[in-house]
Amino acid sequence: QQQVKQSPQSLIVQKGGISIINCAYENTAFDYFPWYQQFPGKGPALLIAIRPDVSEKKEGRFTISFNKSAKQFSLHIMDSQPGDSATYFCAASNPPRLTFGEGTQLTVNP
Amino acid sequence: DAGVTQSPTHLIKTRGQHVTLRCSPISGHKSVSWYQQVLGQGPQFIFQYYEKEERGRGNFPDRFSARQFPNYSSELNVNALLLGDSALYLCASSWDSRNQPQHFGDGTRLSIL
Repeated sequence: QQQVKQSPQSLIVQKGGISIINCAYENTAFDYFPWYQQFPGKGPALLIAIRPDVSEKKEGRFTISFNKSAKQFSLHIMDSQPGDSATYFCAASNPPRLTFGEGTQLTVNP
Repeated sequence: DAGVTQSPTHLIKTRGQHVTLRCSPISGHKSVSWYQQVLGQGPQFIFQYYEKEERGRGNFPDRFSARQFPNYSSELNVNALLLGDSALYLCASSWDSRNQPQHFGDGTRLSIL
């Protein structure tokens, strides 16, 4: 019940395209859903986060869509750039712990 | 402002040894959490410490222990190292016990030979 399932495992997008990563959860006690970006040799960096009382949150090129009834949430990266190439993790918080998805390796081709 | 800092960045140990990893949180943050990230997987929660007390523990054996100091820095200790302990150990800090949001350091890469 603590699992967060993330898909796809890897994603290749052309520069300027839209990258979409999906996550699903079971535990309704989760109350905070962040997305992290991780480059090789670095720790995860917080990108954007949402709470379940909001259906969408946008920050720059990054948007989270949240569907509470389906227990699903997704990250959309608009106008994807080669510099966005990294591993992305969704996570869900049941304080104090974060439960992470398995990660999506995004490659943006120039 | 300095982010979460961890030391050392890399460490090589042999089976059966003991290791201590260190973490300094972002200034003003009172909560420190530890995660283990095995290659190709998402981080797994080990501990949270807030105001020097353990507030949460993940599914890790008693060989793993931690403590938090009055300045809110923290140490993670692992005894009787196994090959399977090879991983990136991440420290995250946050303002309070709810741990939302958490900001991560760049980790300590631990290799067990």
